[in-house]
Order: sequence, then structure tokens, then C-alpha cells
Amino acid sequence: EVQVVESGGGLVQPGGSLRLSCAASGFTVGSNYMYWVRQAPGKGLEWISVIYTGGTTYYADSVKGRFTISRKNSNNTLFLQMNSLRPEDTALYYCAKVRSGVWGYYFDYWGQGIPVTVSS
Amino acid sequence: DIQMTQSPSSLSASVGDRVTISCRASQSIATHLNWYQQKPGKVPTLLIYSASTLQSGVPSRFGGSGSGTDFTLTISNLQPEDLATYYCQQSYRTPALTFGGGTKVEIK
Repeated sequence: EVQVVESGGGLVQPGGSLRLSCAASGFTVGSNYMYWVRQAPGKGLEWISVIYTGGTTYYADSVKGRFTISRKNSNNTLFLQMNSLRPEDTALYYCAKVRSGVWGYYFDYWGQGIPVTVSS
Repeated sequence: DIQMTQSPSSLSASVGDRVTISCRASQSIATHLNWYQQKPGKVPTLLIYSASTLQSGVPSRFGGSGSGTDFTLTISNLQPEDLATYYCQQSYRTPALTFGGGTKVEIK
């Protein structure tokens, strides 16, 4: 059975840092495209970062230079290091696995979401 | 990034109604379009991929169509459990798998 469990969120002051973790079971993190997607309160879904199987990483402009995605294959865990946090980063953060094929890419498994609140 | 625009942003319909949600891409995405359902307080779940392929386990009252820039999600015979926000998502241009702004479906 596939499980994706995020941890590490919470309340942080503007300018502060947090590290999110996403522990997976039932599939191998390093063998899949893994995304972080966030959802601000009452808002829609926004992709913010991805790590490909080969280790290449990409970021949305909104977080580039402040967030870093990584993984630890031995622990089958994905991470998101968030620095220089701003109030507009307040959101529910999801770790999500992508399934790919000739049809393109879709998110087939999501974590439960972890809340991050940036406020003084 | 490819921009995805959904309409309407919200709608209210009665049980048994046929509901149509539109999604437009800022450029052609062929049929690389997915639809998700997010029930209140829950995680998004995949309904349809590749514009019209129903994900396993999804009721047949959900259907998708379209190609290029214009796509439609149809819910025939709306049920109370369909109360949710629906999102389209393009997968033509990676890594930016962009979503539409969402359509909130309420039951009258």
C-alpha cells in the first residue's frame, strides 16, 4: 500500500526557516518525479518544486532562491528546505508523486498536507 | 508557464442536474489535461487524465472532453457527494505542471 506522510510544518516568523519531510512507503522516491505542491488558505493548487529521478531540480519563480528540494534515497524521504519565509508562503504543503506515460504526467499519490504559517 | 483558466469559478446545481466546467489553456496542450476533485478538507484526487480517460474507480457520471486549448469536465446526474472543488491541470509543459484556479460545485 502506498503511503505518503509529511511532517515538519508549523508556525514561523517572517524571514525564518522550516524543513518539510515527506516519508514514502509502497514506492521508491528516487525512481519517481516528486513534487511539492502548496495551497494557500481558500486558494487553488500551485506547484512549487520538483526533483526528477536523475536528481535535476526545478522551482517555481515564487520560491526560487529560497526553497531547496532534496531527497534521501536510503530513507525513501523527500525534503523541502524553506528559507527566508514570507507571509505569502502560508499554505498547506503537499508532497505528491507523479505518474508518467504517453498521456503525460499526473499526480497519483498525495500526502495529507502539512500546514505552514508565516506570521509574527 | 502555461496558464490554465477555469470557468465558472463556482456554480450551484441540483441533484440530478448535468454540470459542465470549462478549462482553457494559454497555448495548445494536445490532450495533456487532467482533472482532480478536492472535497472539503481533503486531498485532491484524480478523476480524469489525458483529457478523457476516467481514472479507475471514478463513477461513470464523470466525463472529460477536449483537445488543444479547450476542455470540459461534465458531471451528469449530479450527486450530493460531488460537492467539491474541481481543478484542471496541464502536463504538456514540464516541469511546471500548472493548475486552473478551480471550480467550486455546490448542491442546491
